[in-house]
Amino acid sequence: AQSVTQLGSHVSVSEGALVLLRCNYSSSVPPYLFWYVQYPNQGLQLLLKYTSAATLVKGINGFEAEFKKSETSFHLTKPSAHMSDAAEYFCAVRGGDFGNEKLTFGTGTRLTIIP
Amino acid sequence: GAVVSQHPSRVICKSGTSVKIECRSLDFQATTMFWYRQFPKQSLMLMATSNEGSKATYEQGVEKDKFLINHASLTLSTLTVTSAHPEDSSFYICSASDWASPTYNEQFFGPGTRLTVL
Repeated sequence: AQSVTQLGSHVSVSEGALVLLRCNYSSSVPPYLFWYVQYPNQGLQLLLKYTSAATLVKGINGFEAEFKKSETSFHLTKPSAHMSDAAEYFCAVRGGDFGNEKLTFGTGTRLTIIP
Repeated sequence: GAVVSQHPSRVICKSGTSVKIECRSLDFQATTMFWYRQFPKQSLMLMATSNEGSKATYEQGVEKDKFLINHASLTLSTLTVTSAHPEDSSFYICSASDWASPTYNEQFFGPGTRLTVL
């Protein structure tokens, strides 16, 4: 069984400030973890993924996330927010082995950027 | 690479009619396709998983006779909402993965289809 908890359904940061979106996971097997971004009325775009290689993962648009097994966390960060970062962000987890490819999504965090 | 398209992007239909949504992998073979449903301001809920040439596996609570899924080829899956009702109005998103590729652990998402049932 696997689950994801995203703390904070809404996060607001000023343009140029640090972005921190929190994600904690639960998984009975070593997980694969993903962060996706969704703009209004669009599908999901992959930001980055953790697949048991490096614990610090760098993604697109300046985002990165660190896998911390001891804290069961995979928080998403970006040093300096841009207006174009305003969107909905989803953390997702899946079992890491073949035949267990279902993704379980968190409830999402809406990121607002204040000019 | 790894582009997934959906058609139509938006559909409005009358209550009681059936609607078919297509999901295509444009530049790779999708051994597995997934169908999700997303209500406004909510997360994605997996409806079903389908492997090419096999019957779809539905999640608990999803009516398989209402949401017909066909995955007849490695590049096309269809979701048919039969006898649609207003409560079926939602954003439907498909995704696809290819077990034979280096990105086997990743799902590639389509742009979604907005269904409105009047």
